[in-house]
Amino acid sequence: EDQVTQSPEALRLQEGESSSLNCSYTVSGLRGLFWYRQDPGKGPEFLFTLYSAGEEKEKERLKATLTKKESFLHITAPKPEDSATYLCAVQARSSGSARQLTFGSGTQLTVLP
Amino acid sequence: DTGVSQDPRHKITKRGQNVTFRCDPISEHNRLYWYRQTLGQGPEFLTYFQNEAQLEKSRLLSDRFSAERPKGSFSTLEIQRTEQGDSAMYLCASSSPGGTTDTQYFGPGTRLTVL
Repeated sequence: EDQVTQSPEALRLQEGESSSLNCSYTVSGLRGLFWYRQDPGKGPEFLFTLYSAGEEKEKERLKATLTKKESFLHITAPKPEDSATYLCAVQARSSGSARQLTFGSGTQLTVLP
Repeated sequence: DTGVSQDPRHKITKRGQNVTFRCDPISEHNRLYWYRQTLGQGPEFLTYFQNEAQLEKSRLLSDRFSAERPKGSFSTLEIQRTEQGDSAMYLCASSSPGGTTDTQYFGPGTRLTVL
């Protein structure tokens, strides 16, 4: 069974204090790993897709990396508007035509001014 | 591209009542997904449509749940005889097949509260 574990569950940072969020996964053949941002009461907003170990992608203050067992979301010099829950999800080769996502429980990030 | 839309955004109902939610995917996206999300958890897959065909259903989708996608455009999710355990955010996502993966774009969700 595919599993995704995110840590920490919650993270409080001061504005400008860089940090990393972790996503560990177990999947029967990785088709893709996805990062989403979710604000309270809203649907997840797509950030990145990573396909293979060693791949990196960047968007503004966010950088996502992937190894064979985990992914990291690095946040550089965060701002209060980066406060949100960050969700990691995997898409397995065994998911067939559906390609459904298996999500972790998320990391709730709070950036204090 | 106006994004995925869902209606209603909030629904409060009494236990035992039936409810129906609607999802309008991004135009030209032939794949449509329903997920359920409870507080503090990530979304869980419920069901998948490719065009009008429902091709995959999770074991989470009990007999009280039914989903349709007539004509391969919008989709509806109906819950019959609602229970308090059905209280959750119901999320719809759509995607267009491309390459080895396809990115799923989510709607704003429908928050269901069963009293």
